[in-house]
Amino acid sequence: GQQVMQIPQYQHVQEGEDFTTYCNSSTTLSNIQWYKQRPGGHPVFLIQLVKSGEVKKQKRLTFQFGEAKKNSSLHITATQTTDVGTYFCAGRNSGAGSYQLTFGKGTKLSVIP
Amino acid sequence: DSGVTQTPKHLITATGQRVTLRCSPRSGDLSVYWYQQSLDQGLQFLIQYYNGEERAKGNILERFSAQQFPDLHSELNLSSLELGDSALYFCASSARQGAFDTQYFGPGTRLTVL
Repeated sequence: GQQVMQIPQYQHVQEGEDFTTYCNSSTTLSNIQWYKQRPGGHPVFLIQLVKSGEVKKQKRLTFQFGEAKKNSSLHITATQTTDVGTYFCAGRNSGAGSYQLTFGKGTKLSVIP
Repeated sequence: DSGVTQTPKHLITATGQRVTLRCSPRSGDLSVYWYQQSLDQGLQFLIQYYNGEERAKGNILERFSAQQFPDLHSELNLSSLELGDSALYFCASSARQGAFDTQYFGPGTRLTVL
């Protein structure tokens, strides 16, 4: 079955430093979504990437979808304490009837003030 | 607030027991998904329902079952509980079951099996 690997599992950064998490799929994806889960909270949708090579920005967050649609990354510039949480990527297989999202294990971000 | 509600918020029970978790999707959403999140683990997809019908099954144990009712709320039944079933159980909903649908997660039910 489809596997989505995410690295690193944990990342501790000093406030103001940049942060990147990477997501790799064993199969080609039709799209990839990113979610953020704050400590004690539930996953919240951040963004969806659909096109090969797509890059989207949300303020200090930059999301990329690989050319082969098998990998993705999330980069946060100048982290703030409000960025603390676990970031999950979730991919959908390309192919008819494949609507199930497969989540990566997430990257837990800690920001040291 | 995502608009998805889950009850109860916390559940403490003993091994061998049976529990039911409840989820009400966002107004108008037809799809409901159940996920299990154990400590330091990602979100393990369990099962999906669309408009009352089972549509996809993930790593759901035979001891677990779910259903979606005509009013679109869903219940996840966990039986013969084991210590390893202790986890956060999330329900999510989406408008339909399209390939580009966003999932909206509820606050979760924390299950502790003693």
